[in-house]
Amino acid sequence: DSGVTQTPKHLITATGQRVTLRCSPRSGDLSVYWYQQSLDQGLQFLIQYYNGEERAKGNILERFSAQQFPDLHSELNLSSLELGDSALYFCASSPRGRYNEQFFGPGTRLTVL
Amino acid sequence: ELKVEQNPLFLSMQEGKNYTIYCNYSTTSDRLYWYRQDPGKSLESLFVLLSNGAVKQEGRLMASLDTKARLSTLHITAAVHDLSATYFCAVDNDMRFGAGTRLTVKP
Repeated sequence: DSGVTQTPKHLITATGQRVTLRCSPRSGDLSVYWYQQSLDQGLQFLIQYYNGEERAKGNILERFSAQQFPDLHSELNLSSLELGDSALYFCASSPRGRYNEQFFGPGTRLTVL
Repeated sequence: ELKVEQNPLFLSMQEGKNYTIYCNYSTTSDRLYWYRQDPGKSLESLFVLLSNGAVKQEGRLMASLDTKARLSTLHITAAVHDLSATYFCAVDNDMRFGAGTRLTVKP
């Protein structure tokens, strides 16, 4: 158990809908990262937040957005969902001063029908 | 654009044998990470390599980094079944991951 929690564990929804995935980092970690893992694209970095501010952006679609709240939990919002958005979404957190060693949460499996 | 290439992508080996997984990347980076993923599970951090020449060992796994050659290796010594998993390298720039090496260790 990495100490990073993600909810929900599974999510099934329809095309065109909007969903929110939630992540709570390990206690004391200021950075949160979001990743998408699919068979087609492999593991892709989406976005990083550090202490509430966006720090780095990867291959995140415009339909997707994220934020990190004052209590450091983070949410990833996915809108206008398409079939191709079906994937495993991981959140990771990293300790301050640990050169980005990341601790991954259990993931949210999103299925878009 | 940064490319991270792992090879092999699939590796089937017998218990007790040694083998090396390679991770090549296309642009300068001083930091490289190795992760392990068991089927249906999340990723677990194995090694963080922070400088040229860095070598780290944990049990039967040893990782090294050559930033000049833009190459990292993950060496498996005397493989055991418990090492069966997918191994990913990731380069610090944009946290770009390789495609993963699916390792199967057979008795």
